Parts: sequence; C-alpha cells; structure tokens
Amino acid sequence: AQSVSQHNHHVILSEAASLELGCNYSYGGTVNLFWYVQYPGQHLQLLLKYFSGDPLVKGIKGFEAEFIKSKFSFNLRKPSVQWSDTAEYFCAVNAKNTGTASKLTFGTGTRLQVTL
Amino acid sequence: GAVVSQHPSWVICKSGTSVKIECRSLDFQATTMFWYRQFPKQSLMLMATSNEGSKATYEQGVEKDKFLINHASLTLSTLTVTSAHPEDSSFYICSARTPGLAGGEQYFGPGTRLTVT
Repeated sequence: AQSVSQHNHHVILSEAASLELGCNYSYGGTVNLFWYVQYPGQHLQLLLKYFSGDPLVKGIKGFEAEFIKSKFSFNLRKPSVQWSDTAEYFCAVNAKNTGTASKLTFGTGTRLQVTL
Repeated sequence: GAVVSQHPSWVICKSGTSVKIECRSLDFQATTMFWYRQFPKQSLMLMATSNEGSKATYEQGVEKDKFLINHASLTLSTLTVTSAHPEDSSFYICSARTPGLAGGEQYFGPGTRLTVT
C-alpha cells in the first residue's frame, strides 16, 4: 500500500514570500500524484496533477510541483503567495494502472497561513 | 469541472439514531464513489469505495454494518450511519471519479458535518 508524508504541518508566510511544501510518498510501483487545496469552509479542489511526461507540472493560481522520482517527492511551489492562498494543502497519490481499484491516499495536510 | 453535491451539509442527531448522507454527481455519471472521514485538523481517511450496482469495499477498521453504503445509480451514493454515537461525530466527504479516468482524478463534495449528541 502507498503512503504519503507531508513534513510541514503549519506554515506561516508573509504576502509575496515564496512557498515550497514538501511531499514524499512511499510505494513500490508507479503512481499518479496530486495536490489538493481546501479553503476555509470549502471543499477540496484539485490544484494540479502529475500522470506522466514533464515532471514539472503547472496548476491553477500560479502553483507548480516537481516530481523527482529518485527522491519519491512531489513538492508544491509558488513564487509569490497571496493572502487568498491561506488554506489547507493536501498531497495525494494513487497507484497507476490499477483500474477501478485505484484509490487516493492523502498526506496529513499542511496548513498555510499568509499574513498581510 | 465536474460537480459533486452532498446533502445535508450538516446534521445533528441523537445518540442511537441513524443518519443518511447523500452524495450526487451532478453533471457526470460516476461508476465509482468514495467516502472519507476527516477529523479536525487531520487528513482524509478513506472509509470505503463504492461501485455502482455492487457492494462497497470497506477499508480495514471500518465497520460495514455501522456505515452502510448504497450506490444505487450512476449519480447517487448514500452513506447511512446506523446507531450513531458521539464518537461518530465527524466531517464526512464523498468524492466521485469520472468515467474513463480510472486511476485518475476525483471530484469532491463539500462534506457533511455530523454531530451526535
């Protein structure tokens, strides 16, 4: 079974600061990787995903993530955060090519607080 | 993008009663739906995977007789918490996977906050 770890539980940044949230996974096979965001009081929304190809993926709202296979990592980045980026961020992974049995495994989440 | 709704958004019930939560895919047919539970400031824990027309597959440690899941149609799955107790109080989230994207993207509902008194 796969597992996901997010080492940063709570991050506080000032507006315009750069962001990098760590995500590492453990699984013996190939995976699909995702970052989801949950704004206060709202449901989870997909920020970006990696299935194959270019390991640097760009998502919505200026976010990007880089898949480094050798490090089993998929860190999320944004060059300049805004107050509206305050939210909970979840990294998730599912095993590739397992059909309908595939299910997402989530990390514990990172709470990002952006101050003005 | 695809939209998933849940009803109710919150519910308060007395200990010992049962509560049903509905999850609907509004603009697509979902052959697979998932039910998660989220505790405050924690991650989502998968409870079960629901495939239309067949029995749900429960994760280890989840009581299938307590958390009844029915996926009667391609757009509706229900979770019934039977004989609820205060420890069942939580945030329940469903998600649905669009057809043709097996192993791919899931869309999440807004969640249902259950409080058992």
